[in-house]
Amino acid sequence: DSGVTQTPKHLITATGQRVTLRCSPRSGDLSVYWYQQSLDQGLQFLIQYYNGEERAKGNILERFSAQQFPDLHSELNLSSLELGDSALYFCASSVGTNWETQYFGPGTRLLVL
Amino acid sequence: AQKVTQAQTEISVVEKEDVTLDCVYETRDTTYYLFWYKQPPSGELVFLIRRNSFDEQNEISGRYSWNFQKSTSSFNFTITASQVVDSAVYFCALSISNSGYALNFGKGTSLLVTP
Repeated sequence: DSGVTQTPKHLITATGQRVTLRCSPRSGDLSVYWYQQSLDQGLQFLIQYYNGEERAKGNILERFSAQQFPDLHSELNLSSLELGDSALYFCASSVGTNWETQYFGPGTRLLVL
Repeated sequence: AQKVTQAQTEISVVEKEDVTLDCVYETRDTTYYLFWYKQPPSGELVFLIRRNSFDEQNEISGRYSWNFQKSTSSFNFTITASQVVDSAVYFCALSISNSGYALNFGKGTSLLVTP
């Protein structure tokens, strides 16, 4: 158990819908990273937050957004969902915003029908 | 640009065999970190090792060992006396400061260990 929690574990929804994925980092970690794992794209970095501020952006679509709250939990919002958004979404946390090890949550498996 | 290549898509071995998973990386940065993660069938990503670009010492942890060679831009992972529980997908990843220290993953190597 990495100490990072993600909810829900599974999510099934329809095209065009909007969903919110939630992540709670390990105790003491200030950085949260979001990654998407799909069969065709592999594991891709989406976005990073550090202590409530956006720090880095990767291959995140404009339909996707995220935020980190004062209690340090983070939410990833996915809107206007398409079939291709079906993937495993991971949250990872680390102590700071440097090269510290990122510990991953169990992931949220999203299926868009 | 940074890139991680894991040329072996799938490897199948019989229990107790040794197996090496290859990882080749590309970056122009002189300071970077390399990582290995394991993804068992249950799906979570488990951290195995982190190595910085200035530390080329090989590391051994039980049946696991890692060989870092800057001259060939490789960070290979060897499992000695493999076990069925080692069956998983293994990912090599690179982190540089320009990308906010995010992990740039290879495509992964799926290892199957059969009894």
